Amino acid sequence: AQKVTQAQTEISVVEKEDVTLDCVYETRDTTYYLFWYKQPPSGELVFLIRRNSFDEQNEISGRYSWNFQKSTSSFNFTITASQVVDSAVYFCALSEARQKVTFGIGTKLQVIP
Amino acid sequence: SAVISQKPSRDICQRGTSLTIQCQVDSQVTMMFWYRQQPGQSLTLIATANQGSEATYESGFVIDKFPISRPNLTFSTLTVSNMSPEDSSIYLCSARAGGETQYFGPGTRLLVL
Repeated sequence: AQKVTQAQTEISVVEKEDVTLDCVYETRDTTYYLFWYKQPPSGELVFLIRRNSFDEQNEISGRYSWNFQKSTSSFNFTITASQVVDSAVYFCALSEARQKVTFGIGTKLQVIP
Repeated sequence: SAVISQKPSRDICQRGTSLTIQCQVDSQVTMMFWYRQQPGQSLTLIATANQGSEATYESGFVIDKFPISRPNLTFSTLTVSNMSPEDSSIYLCSARAGGETQYFGPGTRLLVL
């Protein structure tokens, strides 16, 4: 069975601070995929990144970066120099190959101006 | 990637009635999914809809309550039948495209009175 744990339910930071959203996963498969999605107040789920289990290389995209560590079963997401527009609920998710996606409970991030 | 649209974007319905939600994808996809997101909660998969076969429902969801159609590779509908206030949620359509990534529609906000 697959499981995703996002221990932080709500985080508040002041604008321009860095923030890391934690994600820990469980799976028995050796082939799996990890995702992060952003859900702003408008409600739409926006795809941010996908990582497969064979690629542990960290990724940076602008102010966003992701740290994938198989040794600790973690896939953490860092926002550098946070902005008010980053305020949203962020979901970490996991799927085994061709299987359904399991979502964490989400972390609500509030960036205070 | 895939661009997904949903109709209606929101609706207020009376108890005992039914609502059909439409989902349109801008490209042909094999797998489409329907999720429910109750207020402040994570996403829960209702069913997987593959073209040419019956939808596969998750535990706790039944076809009589949530009938799904998948007439072609770009379109699906979800009907919420005999609604009660407990059905008030956001209903999200999703499609798998570009490999293992699921993309989401903007959601349908349903309020049942």
